[in-house]
Amino acid sequence: EADIYQTPRYLVIGTGKKITLECSQTMGHDKMYWYQQDPGMELHLIHYSYGVNSTEKGDLSSESTVSRIRTEHFPLTLESARPSHTSQYLCASSEWQGANYYEQYFGPGTRLTVT
Amino acid sequence: DQQVKQNSPSLSVQEGRISILNCDYTNSMFDYFLWYKKYPAEGPTFLISISSIKDKNEDGRFTVFLNKSAKHLSLHIVPSQPGDSAVYFCAASESGANSKLTFGKGITLSVRP
Repeated sequence: EADIYQTPRYLVIGTGKKITLECSQTMGHDKMYWYQQDPGMELHLIHYSYGVNSTEKGDLSSESTVSRIRTEHFPLTLESARPSHTSQYLCASSEWQGANYYEQYFGPGTRLTVT
Repeated sequence: DQQVKQNSPSLSVQEGRISILNCDYTNSMFDYFLWYKKYPAEGPTFLISISSIKDKNEDGRFTVFLNKSAKHLSLHIVPSQPGDSAVYFCAASESGANSKLTFGKGITLSVRP
């Protein structure tokens, strides 16, 4: 069973506020990801990391930033929240399986609403 | 352009019957396919996967079929149970260190008691 945690689970915040979404995993996985997902839509990769001090932008452009100072921790920050940032944010991790990083384990998600 | 397509947004089946969820892809470099199940307000959970060297993989009530020539895969759930009601995402990946998952939009399965 995968152990990956996200806090907060729900967040309602006003426009212009700075927010940090937390993600931690206890499996020692080197690769971690952030996805954004809206109802009825696919998961869009917004950031990923191969390991400590490694961060890359995903396929969907995002105004958020990420950091990876510790293997187990991959927080996502929005400097100035806007209503267009309202979405569900999902964190995931995976480990090298000899030829690929196929299977990803997901956290419970953070439902962000910006008013 | 969507590389993984789940064209039917929803499916409703009777408890005990078979559920068949379909997925099509366009990228011929995809060589690994996964199905995830997602309940509202929760993260997706891995269900079953299949490599492109196989055409079938079975795990309990869940079977995934892959037709490479048609670039089509399907998830069969037999027998369907009310607890199977959820959104099912099809995902695909190329191999390699840069492998990333490309997801479809999901299918909402409702299993009627």
